[in-house]
Amino acid sequence: GAVVSQHPSWVICKSGTSVKIECRSLDFQATTMFWYRQFPKQSLMLMATSNEGSKATYEQGVEKDKFLINHASLTLSTLTVTSAHPEDSSFYICSASTPDRNTEAFFGQGTRLTVV
Amino acid sequence: GQNIDQPTEMTATEGAIVQINCTYQTSGFNGLFWYQQHAGEAPTFLSYNVLDGLEEKGRFSSFLSRSKGYSYLLLKELQMKDSASYLCAVMDSNYQLIWGAGTKLIIKP
Repeated sequence: GAVVSQHPSWVICKSGTSVKIECRSLDFQATTMFWYRQFPKQSLMLMATSNEGSKATYEQGVEKDKFLINHASLTLSTLTVTSAHPEDSSFYICSASTPDRNTEAFFGQGTRLTVV
Repeated sequence: GQNIDQPTEMTATEGAIVQINCTYQTSGFNGLFWYQQHAGEAPTFLSYNVLDGLEEKGRFSSFLSRSKGYSYLLLKELQMKDSASYLCAVMDSNYQLIWGAGTKLIIKP
């Protein structure tokens, strides 16, 4: 099956700094990538949908200036958490879809962000 | 609004069979997915149903009734490694995945 690689797997950063998370589709061209956030014992919460070459579409309540998403190529999307605070500590997961929409979402491994 | 309901937690015995139900109300329907998620890891794909009926894949089977807005995931010959959360997700008319909160399955020896 298709492979999506997410990096880093975990990161600890100081409050006020920025953290970049990368999501790469390794063997297919991902026209659309999704960024999720997951708190403990809760389901995935969609943060934004990014389409290659265009601005990301953010879900209601997600600050676009805080969570910067870039989808510059068909194989790479990045999420930058700017001026991170402890409440941003969470599990961030990306997924990618192929042009054939009615297929499973391919997930990255997830990134555990801890802001201290 | 859009809604996916599944039980919060279930307990079953190793070697037994368990059925995890999922009911949904969404804007359109383009398929229903089941994912398995172990703690601290990303979800992994289990099944996809878009037509009514039962899809069998090894120890796991998934059933769909579109008229009832209902699906279930059936796990047979349970193993300890099946202890995980099971997420039901429906793809709506905009091809967006709407996620259930997940069912935590606890397997006891």
